[in-house]
Amino acid sequence: GEDVEQSLFLSVREGDSSVINCTYTDSSSTYLYWYKQEPGAGLQLLTYIFSNMDMKQDQRLTVLLNKKDKHLSLRIADTQTGDSAIYFCAEDAGNTGKLIFGQGTTLQVKP
Amino acid sequence: NAGVTQTPKFRILKIGQSMTLQCTQDMNHNYMYWYRQDPGMGLKLIYYSVGAGITDKGEVPNGYNVSRSTTEDFPLRLELAAPSQTSVYFCASSTQGADQPQHFGDGTRLSIL
Repeated sequence: GEDVEQSLFLSVREGDSSVINCTYTDSSSTYLYWYKQEPGAGLQLLTYIFSNMDMKQDQRLTVLLNKKDKHLSLRIADTQTGDSAIYFCAEDAGNTGKLIFGQGTTLQVKP
Repeated sequence: NAGVTQTPKFRILKIGQSMTLQCTQDMNHNYMYWYRQDPGMGLKLIYYSVGAGITDKGEVPNGYNVSRSTTEDFPLRLELAAPSQTSVYFCASSTQGADQPQHFGDGTRLSIL
């Protein structure tokens, strides 16, 4: 079945770039997503990428997609303490609108 | 607009009790979803609905039931609570289309003791 894998933890210093990686298995996914979850809150969509693109940039966020290797990454430039959260990668399972989530990567930003 | 509202925020149940988790949205979204999030894990889809009167099973539906009598409301029912159902439950809604983001509620923390 479909599966999405992420590393569990990343620690960076304020001002550095953060790169969060994700691998997925469903090659039919049309869209891939990055969600952010702050403590005690629901998930907030950060950005998404269409499967025929290999890069998308949105202010401090850059998404890279390697469809051949089924690898997705999220780069956050000039990481701030407010970026500390859990980041979830998700794929649209079989292009149905149903999302398959990874386990989440906890990003810790040290001052 | 309130977005997606879930009640209650916290609840403790005894094994075998039943309860309904409420979810309502005011964005006129057709699609609604229920997820559970276990510690250190991603979200797992329990049930979803593509419109009033239509529901379907997700990845982990056992032990739960849903109904969708209106566009706004999508309650999740636990009939016989079990410790394995201790989790954080999230409701989400979206408009049709894979490029439309799902809007999430703040979650319901449920403990079964």
